[in-house]
Amino acid sequence: DVKVTQSSRYLVKRTGEKVFLECVQDMDHENMFWYRQDPGLGLRLIYFSYDVKMKEKGDIPEGYSVSREKKERFSLILESASTNQTSMYLCASSFGTYNEQFFGPGTRLTVL
Amino acid sequence: ILNVEQSPQSLHVQEGDSTNFTCSFPSSNFYALHWYRWETAKSPEALFVMTLNGDEKKKGRISATLNTKEGYSYLYIKGSQPEDSATYLCASDSGGGADGLTFGKGTHLIIQP
Repeated sequence: DVKVTQSSRYLVKRTGEKVFLECVQDMDHENMFWYRQDPGLGLRLIYFSYDVKMKEKGDIPEGYSVSREKKERFSLILESASTNQTSMYLCASSFGTYNEQFFGPGTRLTVL
Repeated sequence: ILNVEQSPQSLHVQEGDSTNFTCSFPSSNFYALHWYRWETAKSPEALFVMTLNGDEKKKGRISATLNTKEGYSYLYIKGSQPEDSATYLCASDSGGGADGLTFGKGTHLIIQP
């Protein structure tokens, strides 16, 4: 079974802090994604990567950056956390023609 | 940005009853339609990936149909059980390849014993 893990289930940070959310997948998938989920808004794509050191902006990249130095690891970075970045963050990986995505358990981030 | 719409937003169903809900998506540039089930405190889990007009897929008591010409998909659950309680997400892939999916807001299903 594909396993996607995220570094924390719950995280509390202060406004202005630099925050790193880590995601690791163990199935050698090429593609990795970061989404955020907010009540009433559904899952929204922040960034994705289709190869090591490659990154593409999703629908809501503002305030975020990403890093993919190794194939199995995709990091989401909040350079200066703000309260409007309080959310559930989900990482996913995929492979194959139809891009079926495998999700991690999510990180619930609270920015105070 | 594509608009993927799901209805209803939430649904209460008696155990044993059958139910269905809808996902609508732009029919232009269609590549694939995904259904996921997301149970509380768990990761979203893929149910189906559908690509062809008229496609019908089944997994146990759950099935789905696809109409790419008019841009909708139905998910059916037969004989609902408490373990079916979850949020059901559909997502459209219009680009193929490695692009992320565009998700609907989900249908939150609660099965009442």
